[in-house]
Amino acid sequence: EAEVAQSPRYKITEKSQAVAFWCDPISGHATLYWYRQILGQGPELLVQFQDESVVDDSQLPKDRFSAERLKGVDSTLKIQPAELGDSAMYLCASSLSPTSESEQFFGPGTRLTVL
Amino acid sequence: EDKVVQSPLSLVVHEGDTVTLNCSYEVTNFRSLLWYKQEKKAPTFLFMLTSSGIEKKSGRLSSILDKKELFSILNITATQTGDSAVYLCAVEYQFYFGTGTSLTVIP
Repeated sequence: EAEVAQSPRYKITEKSQAVAFWCDPISGHATLYWYRQILGQGPELLVQFQDESVVDDSQLPKDRFSAERLKGVDSTLKIQPAELGDSAMYLCASSLSPTSESEQFFGPGTRLTVL
Repeated sequence: EDKVVQSPLSLVVHEGDTVTLNCSYEVTNFRSLLWYKQEKKAPTFLFMLTSSGIEKKSGRLSSILDKKELFSILNITATQTGDSAVYLCAVEYQFYFGTGTSLTVIP
């Protein structure tokens, strides 16, 4: 069964360091999402891609976060510099299309701890 | 400001009980409402609701949407310990998630 892949699964870093997360969506899925989930809260959408284009990054803290999906397949989310408040689970999801008819499939997530 | 509110925040029931989870929303450009189940890992999809009054069912789980009153409910009948999880409600457009309802089913 096809799955969304993410790496690393866990990352511990010190504040002010740079971190990067990778996501490989299900083959053929044009829409890719990055979410941040703080413990005890629901996921918060950071950025949505349609192919290689950003559809929505209104909630992305652009002073320190960046995301790219250069070839419209896999994607990287970067934080530089990391802050203590960035400690969270970073979830990637993909869907065939961005419409209401298309289910999102989530990857296992990357748990980030900033010390 | 758009928001999604779930209630209760947590719930403890005995196996065999029936539970009802609530999700109310205030969002612009509503497209659909989705329910997810999250155990100690990423959320898994349960239902997508776009039309009022049409119940969706999957085994012991069912859900319905009221677009006039802006809420949805998720029902779980004959609960089992495997139903223990956080149940998340999300509203599209932009996928706003609620904080979830933590359900614990005890034997």
